[in-house]
Amino acid sequence: EAEVAQSPRYKITEKSQAVAFWCDPISGHATLYWYRQILGQGPELLVQFQDESVVDDSQLPKDRFSAERLKGVDSTLKIQPAELGDSAMYLCASSPRLALREETQYFGPGTRLLVL
Amino acid sequence: EDKVVQSPLSLVVHEGDTVTLNCSYEVTNFRSLLWYKQEKKAPTFLFMLTSSGIEKKSGRLSSILDKKELFSILNITATQTGDSAVYLCALGGAGSYQLTFGKGTKLSVIP
Repeated sequence: EAEVAQSPRYKITEKSQAVAFWCDPISGHATLYWYRQILGQGPELLVQFQDESVVDDSQLPKDRFSAERLKGVDSTLKIQPAELGDSAMYLCASSPRLALREETQYFGPGTRLLVL
Repeated sequence: EDKVVQSPLSLVVHEGDTVTLNCSYEVTNFRSLLWYKQEKKAPTFLFMLTSSGIEKKSGRLSSILDKKELFSILNITATQTGDSAVYLCALGGAGSYQLTFGKGTKLSVIP
């Protein structure tokens, strides 16, 4: 069964360092999402891509976060510089093209980030 | 102010019990309501509800949506220890299909 791949699974870094997370969606899925899930909370959308274009990044802290999906397939989320409050699980999800009635989002295993 | 409110936030039951998890929301213009199960990893999809009053069922789990009263429930009958997880409710946006999640209900099933 096709899965969303993410790496690394765990990342420990010191504050002010740069970190990057990678996501490879299910083959053929046009839409890709990055979520941040703080412990005890539900996931919150950071950025949504449709192919290589950003559909919504209104919740992305753009002073330190950036995301790209250059070829419309895999994607990278970067934080520079990392802050203590960035410690969280970063989830990537993908779904087929928009406007399909029964589509759902399929989540990857996540990257758990700890900033010291 | 949270748009998706789940209750209770945590629940402890014994194996064999039946539980009902609640999800209430404020948004009226949405395409679907989804339930996910999250163990110590990524959420896994359980149900997607789009129509009011139609129950969806999968084994011991079932869910229903009430668009008039703006809530959904997730029922689990004959609970097992493997049901222990956080159950997340999410709304799928009408236009962009973004998901807005609640904080989840942490269910613990003890033998």
